[in-house]
Amino acid sequence: GNSVTQMEGPVTLSEEAFLTINCTYTATGYPSLFWYVQYPGEGLQLLLKATKADDKGSNKGFEATYRKETTSFHLEKGSVQVSDSAVYFCALSEGGGADGLTFGKGTHLIIQP
Amino acid sequence: DVKVTQSSRYLVKRTGEKVFLECVQDMDHENMFWYRQDPGLGLRLIYFSYDVKMKEKGDIPEGYSVSREKKERFSLILESASTNQTSMYLCASSPETGALNQPQHFGDGTRLSIL
Repeated sequence: GNSVTQMEGPVTLSEEAFLTINCTYTATGYPSLFWYVQYPGEGLQLLLKATKADDKGSNKGFEATYRKETTSFHLEKGSVQVSDSAVYFCALSEGGGADGLTFGKGTHLIIQP
Repeated sequence: DVKVTQSSRYLVKRTGEKVFLECVQDMDHENMFWYRQDPGLGLRLIYFSYDVKMKEKGDIPEGYSVSREKKERFSLILESASTNQTSMYLCASSPETGALNQPQHFGDGTRLSIL
């Protein structure tokens, strides 16, 4: 079956540091890949997505590139802010929208001023 | 913007009670989903529905049922609540495009405690 593996946290960084959160996946076909973010006390929000190999998703300074050869979708940001503190989830979907997402376990990111 | 509304943010129930969690979306989405979120386990799919009166089991359907009588509303039912169902429950919806995957839109969650 499908699975998503992401680095476990918490990840603690200083403000303006470079961020990488690793995500690798296992899928039988050609999934779409997503990063979701969950701020304290809130539901999940879509951060970015990529639907085919070599696509780059980007939003709010975050980027991730769909790497089929390494089955990876690592999240990066050049300079993090305190407001980026949240839990980040990598996810995949193969079902054309009608099936549920397969999530990683989430990475808790803490940015210190 | 898509709005997915879950009826309660916090809920406390007793073991053996029948519990209803309600979810409503306002964007005419065909697909709706229920997940539970637990520390160290991430989100796991309980049930989903791709049309009115249709339902499909997800990865962990045991102890749960669902109801979708109207397109905008998707209810999760705990027939006889147990303490291991204490969790955060998240509802989501997405459109059916028939093509590439569309992102799911999530509600703010219901934190359910079973005593």
